[in-house]
Amino acid sequence: DAGVTQSPTHLIKTRGQHVTLRCSPISGHKSVSWYQQVLGQGPQFIFQYYEKEERGRGNFPDRFSARQFPNYSSELNVNALLLGDSALYLCASSLGPQSGTEAFFGQGTRLTVV
Amino acid sequence: GESVGLHLPTLSVQEGDNSIINCAYSNSASDYFIWYKQESGKGPQFIIDIRSNMDKRQGQRVTVLLNKTVKHLSLQIAATQPGDSAVYFCAEIPTYAGNMLTFGGGTRLMVKP
Repeated sequence: DAGVTQSPTHLIKTRGQHVTLRCSPISGHKSVSWYQQVLGQGPQFIFQYYEKEERGRGNFPDRFSARQFPNYSSELNVNALLLGDSALYLCASSLGPQSGTEAFFGQGTRLTVV
Repeated sequence: GESVGLHLPTLSVQEGDNSIINCAYSNSASDYFIWYKQESGKGPQFIIDIRSNMDKRQGQRVTVLLNKTVKHLSLQIAATQPGDSAVYFCAEIPTYAGNMLTFGGGTRLMVKP
């Protein structure tokens, strides 16, 4: 069975540009969460979606947005990129958003903003 | 792959020794705790979890201890192997937060053969 897949694996963008990152959850999983991991730190929660609705949002500016599609895949969008947005962006899928439901992480998308 | 934690605290152990990785959590409302392992170029991988109504839980070669009084979590790895070399993160989830994870800062474990 395929795990959580993220695309692209790496990309380089210029300050001020826009980026879209994509995530396909494990088959049967209806919840997708996004995390930002800056080098040398633990992942930070950005968004959680369940059944196409936003269930949680972390402390990130409005430049960050996301959505979930009917097939439960998800996109993370970041506008007006800053150098500080350079990070590994991780997607995690789970059966649902309930406590105790294990989250499975993808390998991440490495975003570099220059 | 690219390194996950260039500036993280590092624990260096000899192969076969036991490892203890510590974590201080911040939210007294957290009632669920998880240890993750992250290898270079990969996403975090679940190791073991524990609920706040327990103080110890054992898995295969791993044990998690929870001290709620001082808000401290530890991960013990028995007979550490080279394949255990990675960055280890603890994560907490408050009662109200479903399965949204708050990660700690991480510790790099290096196993010397």
